[in-house]
Amino acid sequence: SAVISQKPSRDICQRGTSLTIQCQVDSQVTMMFWYRQQPGQSLTLIATANQGSEATYESGFVIDKFPISRPNLTFSTLTVSNMSPEDSSIYLCSVESRTGTYEAFFGQGTRLTVV
Amino acid sequence: GDSVTQMEGPVTLSEEAFLTINCTYTATGYPSLFWYVQYPGEGLQLLLKATKADDKGSNKGFEATYRKETTSFHLEKGSVQVSDSAVYFCALMQRGYNKLIFGAGTRLAVHP
Repeated sequence: SAVISQKPSRDICQRGTSLTIQCQVDSQVTMMFWYRQQPGQSLTLIATANQGSEATYESGFVIDKFPISRPNLTFSTLTVSNMSPEDSSIYLCSVESRTGTYEAFFGQGTRLTVV
Repeated sequence: GDSVTQMEGPVTLSEEAFLTINCTYTATGYPSLFWYVQYPGEGLQLLLKATKADDKGSNKGFEATYRKETTSFHLEKGSVQVSDSAVYFCALMQRGYNKLIFGAGTRLAVHP
């Protein structure tokens, strides 16, 4: 298993500002994933982040709005830029299992409220 | 594209009742299937998984069997507890893609 720490756990932000969410893993992983869970909804993949290359974004998500960094094999950040109330969600970091069992582990999530 | 469909909630049960949460999927090939649970105020935790047809995943009294012929992965528990109250997500992952596709989630409320 992997232990994933996310910071901050929650935040209330003013519209028009940006928030950077950090994700730290206790072991080296190739791929890290960022998901969004809007209120009462399921999880949607925002992007996949590989170390040493640009993140790959899913349809509906763009780098200008959700820039991602992946400076090493244990750390990643997701920035939510120019926030609006529609960005109020839980943002979750995830990593794949290293045992090849195709399961994922999740951080506790960052609960973001934009006012 | 691939998708997962779960029964709508909320599901409300009395303690010790039998639980079934239906999950069906649409996917090419042979994806791996998962049930994740989200307890109030917590992140997602893997509950159980199955990686090939006819596999049965089980954990904490919950079971689900990978049914290729009906493209289903229904979650069952014989006797639920109040502590099982949570949101349950069915998900699939295609081999080689490492991307989880989630169902909408089903909220379970168990009353004493």
